[in-house]
Formats: sequence, structure tokens, C-alpha cells
Amino acid sequence: SQKIEQNSEALNIQEGKTATLTCNYTNYSPAYLQWYRQDPGRGPVFLLLIRENEKEKRKERLKVTFDTTLKQSLFHITASQPADSATYLCALAGNTPLVFGKGTRLSVIA
Amino acid sequence: GAVVSQHPSRVICKSGTSVKIECRSLDFQATTMFWYRQFPKKSLMLMATSNEGSKATYEQGVEKDKFLINHASLTLSTLTVTSAHPEDSSFYICSARDPRGGGTEAFFGQGTRLTVV
Repeated sequence: SQKIEQNSEALNIQEGKTATLTCNYTNYSPAYLQWYRQDPGRGPVFLLLIRENEKEKRKERLKVTFDTTLKQSLFHITASQPADSATYLCALAGNTPLVFGKGTRLSVIA
Repeated sequence: GAVVSQHPSRVICKSGTSVKIECRSLDFQATTMFWYRQFPKKSLMLMATSNEGSKATYEQGVEKDKFLINHASLTLSTLTVTSAHPEDSSFYICSARDPRGGGTEAFFGQGTRLTVV
């Protein structure tokens, strides 16, 4: 069966450093992969999408990589700020509903 | 971006009663909407896919008679939790994809916190 793993349930990082979150998957060949941010008690908000034929995508302080050989995506937040503290979810997508990982709860400490 | 509105944001009900949650796409038409359930510190679990004008598709293990889904128009899907029990207490979230943007990005409602007492 499809499996998505975000290998850190929680990650603490000092303000100004780069946060790196990992998403691994098995038994799936997604057409694209997405990252979402979720704040407590709220629905997820879309951040970035990367397609299977793309290696890297950037948006402001965010960077996503996608390695279909390793079946892995890395999500980076550079110059992290306390406001970046949230849970970040990766999601696999194709022609089916999104399948989400459990998320990584990021805490950026001032 | 597109907007999905979910109502109510919080609801408390007594055991045995039914609760209806609404999900609206405000500025686009959605032939398909998705309903998720999320327990504390857990991921979103897809419950069902709501299809406009036809029956919903339920994921394995989700009781269709307990979680009634109606998608009567292109902008509204409802989830009714029937005969609610305390174990149904959870965070319910709907989502839809805007076809104008290629339908890749999912837009989520604000979520509904259901507490059954």
C-alpha cells in the first residue's frame, strides 16, 4: 500500500537557521508532490508544488527538491523566523485524492 | 487564491444527535470535494470524495450510513454525522481543487471542531 513518511514528528531550530524537512514515500509514483502549512485548529494552506520532472522549486525563502529515484522530497526554509512555526505536511498527488504525510511540527526559537 | 468556506468552525452536540457541516467553494465550481478527518497531532485521513450529482465515494473503513455526504450543487457539499458518539469527536476538514488553476492545488476549509458530549 502507499506509504508516506515525514521522518521528524517535531523539529526545533534557532531563528535565522535553515530548516530542512524530509518526506519519503513508497509504493507510489506521484505525478507531483505538494507541501502545505497547517496552523493549530486551521485547515492546511498550500505552499509549493513540484512535478515529477522537476528537481527543484523555489518560492521566496522556501525551496523544495524532488528525487523520484530516492522517492524523497526535501523542504527547506531559509532564514527561519518564529512566524514559520507550524506543522508542515507533504502530500502526494496524481489523478487521485491527495495523500498526506503525518506532518512535521516545526518550532523556530528566537 | 480560491476560497473554500466551511461552517460551523466549532460545534458541540449531545450523543445520539446529528450534526451537519457545510463546505462551500466561494469563487469557483467544484464537481468534486474531499472530506478529511484529523485527530490531534495526526495526519489528515481522507474519509470520502464527494461528487456533484452522484453518490460519494467512501474510503475503506468509513461508514457511509454514519457519515452522510450530499453534493447537491457545484459549490456546496455537506457532511452529516448521524447519531454522533464521543468517539466521533474530531477535526473535520473539506477541500476542493479549483479547475481554473489546473486542479492541482487543493484549497481547504477552515475546519470544523466537533465535540460530542
